[in-house]
Amino acid sequence: EVKLVESGGGLVQPGRSLKLSCAASGFSFNDYWMGWVRQAPGKGLEWIGEINQDSSTINYTPSLKDKFTISRDNAQNTLYLQMSKLGSEDTAIYYCARAPGFYYFDYWGQGVMVTVSS
Amino acid sequence: DIVLTQSPALAVSLGQRATISCRASQSVSISRYNLMHWYQQKPGQQPKLLIYRASNLASGIPARFSGSGSGTDFTLTINPVQADDIATYYCQQSRESPNTFGAGTKLELK
Repeated sequence: EVKLVESGGGLVQPGRSLKLSCAASGFSFNDYWMGWVRQAPGKGLEWIGEINQDSSTINYTPSLKDKFTISRDNAQNTLYLQMSKLGSEDTAIYYCARAPGFYYFDYWGQGVMVTVSS
Repeated sequence: DIVLTQSPALAVSLGQRATISCRASQSVSISRYNLMHWYQQKPGQQPKLLIYRASNLASGIPARFSGSGSGTDFTLTINPVQADDIATYYCQQSRESPNTFGAGTKLELK
């Protein structure tokens, strides 16, 4: 069974950093692109970015490129999202997802909440 | 960025057909591939893939869901609508990075 479990969320002060993790199981992690999507409270889905199998290609939505860094550890079957200079606009549920090809997402984690507030 | 436009809401009766549209600001098709995908999201849950590459049914998704379209105009059809289908539906394009989502269409009961 494919399973994606995000962790590392919580309450963080404006301007601080936070690193999210996504533990993958039930499939060969190093065979897949992976991605991050977020959803602000009551809003729609926002594509953050994606990373290929060997981390040689990482794409970001331009508005987040200087704040967020996607990485992965294939030995640990884990995807990461390093977030810096957080602001209230970054308050959202963050989802990791698997991309089997053509860059759609076939499996999603349950999401982790990040709240940026003083 | 490619902008995807969806109607905010659609009211439908149980047992009837629902047609949800998504229009892209530029073509999302390459050769024979239509890089538009559809997701369903219920409150408090993560999104679920319904349709990939415009018309391919994802694993485990009931056959009452179908997708069509090419170029800039795409449609998700649910026929017949069941109570469990009440949710928000999002389209997503992967033709060009950054990939983008539509704002979502909330399916409501009439």
